[in-house]
Amino acid sequence: ETGVTQTPRHLVMGMTNKKSLKCEQHLGHNAMYWYKQSAKKPLELMFVYNFKEQTENNSVPSRFSPECPNSSHLFLHLHTLQPEDSALYLCASSQTQGAREQYFGPGTRLTVT
Amino acid sequence: ELKVEQNPLFLSMQEGKNYTIYCNYSTTSDRLYWYRQDPGKSLESLFVLLSNGAVKQEGRLMASLDTKARLSTLHITAAVHDLSATYFCAVDEGYGGSQGNLIFGKGTKLSVKP
Repeated sequence: ETGVTQTPRHLVMGMTNKKSLKCEQHLGHNAMYWYKQSAKKPLELMFVYNFKEQTENNSVPSRFSPECPNSSHLFLHLHTLQPEDSALYLCASSQTQGAREQYFGPGTRLTVT
Repeated sequence: ELKVEQNPLFLSMQEGKNYTIYCNYSTTSDRLYWYRQDPGKSLESLFVLLSNGAVKQEGRLMASLDTKARLSTLHITAAVHDLSATYFCAVDEGYGGSQGNLIFGKGTKLSVKP
């Protein structure tokens, strides 16, 4: 595997379910990001981790819970989501937070029913 | 609060024609990015513009940055069908030291027709 990978690629879940999204980067980077891409809104930054420490939480509801056990892995734990949370969730990484380029994964298409 | 506006949001072009996509942003920043996204795919980095007057070119695409006007342009020369995609500009919230927090425009959906 190369670059940034995300699993699953597609996820359908009910409002009472608990699920997790996984992101893995194979680039030796130290910063990782979660973004949300909704149909009619700009791409929104959700969380940033730099050297495993959370440095940004962009007023994200608590039903989204990030976890970064090491610099290569990032999770987004989901529980009691709402239909408006349906979106494409993109993970990205960079050498460190603020480094010149962020590299994006393919995304997880989430549908909440 | 930094806001990023792109226009147009939709662009239908004929092959061989030229056009420009505009990206305006509301507060001072010295880093601007252009990304491409194909349907169902992730974002691909096209250009990173780091200083006033920066101009970068790759194939039929050329990007420029005017930090005084808070404006970046993405110029398409002699469009071909393969350029059909959505193009995003993104601006770093930090100034004089990047925070890595990118604020994205809504994207310009480009369709190039024969």
